Amino acid sequence: DAKTTQPNSMESNEEEPVHLPCNHSTISGTDYIHWYLQLPSQGPEYVIHGLTSNVNNRMASLAIAEDRKSSTLILHRATLRDAAVYYCILSGGTSYGKLTFGQGTILTVHP
Amino acid sequence: DVKVTQSSRYLVKRTGEKVFLECVQDMDHENMFWYRQDPGLGLRLIYFSYDVKMKEKGDIPEGYSVSREKKERFSLILESASTNQTSMYLCASSFPLSTDGGEKLFFGSGTQLSVL
Repeated sequence: DAKTTQPNSMESNEEEPVHLPCNHSTISGTDYIHWYLQLPSQGPEYVIHGLTSNVNNRMASLAIAEDRKSSTLILHRATLRDAAVYYCILSGGTSYGKLTFGQGTILTVHP
Repeated sequence: DVKVTQSSRYLVKRTGEKVFLECVQDMDHENMFWYRQDPGLGLRLIYFSYDVKMKEKGDIPEGYSVSREKKERFSLILESASTNQTSMYLCASSFPLSTDGGEKLFFGSGTQLSVL
């Protein structure tokens, strides 16, 4: 399985934008990029996914590099509720939805 | 909203006991999963099921079995619980995002199992 690399932790101030990077240099042509977040004492929660084009939804934006070897999850205005672990995952094809979670990035948001 | 319900939030068992962890989803999803989460090791896939009575091993199936008699219910069984199975157990179900875009997973809140 193609792997992803994320920073262990990042910090942000409330109401500032947050850019969470993810490297996936061995991504295959059929892999979609998925992001999940996990709040303390909760199961992971889907955030966004994309293939080649940048994507926006009500939670976040996903910017995908032209060569697809990296991507960035963008939280436009961080709130204290955004403090969580963010996972960048590659998935697609006939994987039946099996996701391989790495360590993720711990995001701390300061008031 | 999709709901994935795990039967217990906290569970304490003795070494050697048979343990059942139950998971129910209410959205008619085909696929269901059991993960465990440990500090420093992240989430690891134990078993998954893509249809009733069908099951596939994940990355760490040893010491576990599963049962899927009905589409909405996926049970994880620890035949003889051991202390190294103390962990947070997370159940999930999924539906396709597109024909080849992978699946969107919905997780339950987890069961923290302590084996003494």
